[in-house]
Amino acid sequence: KNEVEQSPQNLTAQEGEFITINCSYSVGISALHWLQQHPGGGIVSLFMLSSGKKKHGRLIATINIQEKHSSLHITASHPRDSAVYICAVRSSGNTPLVFGKGTRLSVIA
Amino acid sequence: NAGVTQTPKFRILKIGQSMTLQCTQDMNHNYMYWYRQDPGMGLKLIYYSVGAGITDKGEVPNGYNVSRSTTEDFPLRLELAAPSQTSVYFCASSSLAGEQYFGPGTRLTVT
Repeated sequence: KNEVEQSPQNLTAQEGEFITINCSYSVGISALHWLQQHPGGGIVSLFMLSSGKKKHGRLIATINIQEKHSSLHITASHPRDSAVYICAVRSSGNTPLVFGKGTRLSVIA
Repeated sequence: NAGVTQTPKFRILKIGQSMTLQCTQDMNHNYMYWYRQDPGMGLKLIYYSVGAGITDKGEVPNGYNVSRSTTEDFPLRLELAAPSQTSVYFCASSSLAGEQYFGPGTRLTVT
């Protein structure tokens, strides 16, 4: 079974800072997902990637398949980015996702 | 589109009671999932389904049952509720190997 580790567990940043959240997994995968969960519960998919890099607005996700590692970057962070960010991996085609425990981010104005 | 809807949003059960958590999606996704989320822990898969009539156990299926009679609906049944089932429950759906779309969650307390 794939083990997914995220770091840091908690992160506090000042508004405007560049933020990096890391995710490592133990077994080769077909895809990696980054999800966002705001206080109050809703979970939203941010990225799904299997190689390289993707960018949506101020969010950038990268993955290094050889090192079994992914990073989520937030540029020019804002208090509305405060949320839990969750990494999840899929080992192959249609197997269920395995989730990390999440990184709780607080951005202070 | 409504996406994935769940009912109820909140529920308090007494030990030994039963209930069904409802989940419906309108995206014609074949894959549907039930997760529980405990404080400080990652999402744990309870059951999943790859299509109508097909269900399979996830990581933590004990104490739960599911059925999938239609593509749209995937109810989760709790029989004989126990305090260990106090959690937030999320339903999700996806196409094959695609992004997962989550419902808003059901916060369940068993006392």
